[in-house]
Amino acid sequence: EVQLVESGGGLVQSGGSLRLSCAASDFTFSNYEMIWVRQTPGKGLEWVSYISGGGETRYYADSVKGRFTVSRDNAKNSLYLQMDSLRAEDTAVYYCVRDRTNYFDYWGQGTQVTVSS
Amino acid sequence: DIQMTQSPSTLSASVGDRVTITCRASQSINRGLAWYQQKPGKAPKLLIYKASSLESGVPSRFSGSGSGTEFTLTISSLQPDDFATYYCQQYNTYWTFGQGTKVEIK
Repeated sequence: EVQLVESGGGLVQSGGSLRLSCAASDFTFSNYEMIWVRQTPGKGLEWVSYISGGGETRYYADSVKGRFTVSRDNAKNSLYLQMDSLRAEDTAVYYCVRDRTNYFDYWGQGTQVTVSS
Repeated sequence: DIQMTQSPSTLSASVGDRVTITCRASQSINRGLAWYQQKPGKAPKLLIYKASSLESGVPSRFSGSGSGTEFTLTISSLQPDDFATYYCQQYNTYWTFGQGTKVEIK
């Protein structure tokens, strides 16, 4: 069974940094594009970043461009999200998601990120 | 950016009811639409992709239709396990989600 397990969330002050990790298992990780999606009660579901299977192509939502960096290590079946210059509005549950031709077929359980001002 | 608008925001229904949720896109997305179900404290679960294709393992009481800018998700006979929040998502141009429709017990 495909598994995606996020870690690295927590409480951080405004302006601080966090690095989220996602451990993938039971599928050929390098064959899949991966996405980070976040969810807040107020703004709902929002895609944050995309990375291609080989890592050469990356996209970011305007709201995080220049502050967040997505990366992956296919040898370790792992996905990462480096989040810098965090703001209160980045407070959300962050999901690691597998992209199957642009729609999302497997989601992790989510990790809470809370940015205090 | 493509905006996705779902209606209604909340829907009260009984077990056995036929339920329809509508999703409208601000511009044509062809058939690049997916539907997800989310229960409290859990991640969203894929139900429908390509507007009308049923994900493996999803009960056949769920169906999707539409193309262009207007789409529907129908649950033919609501079951106790179906009380949840449903989201549409366009993936024609990047990704955008609707605001969600909560299906609650009448």
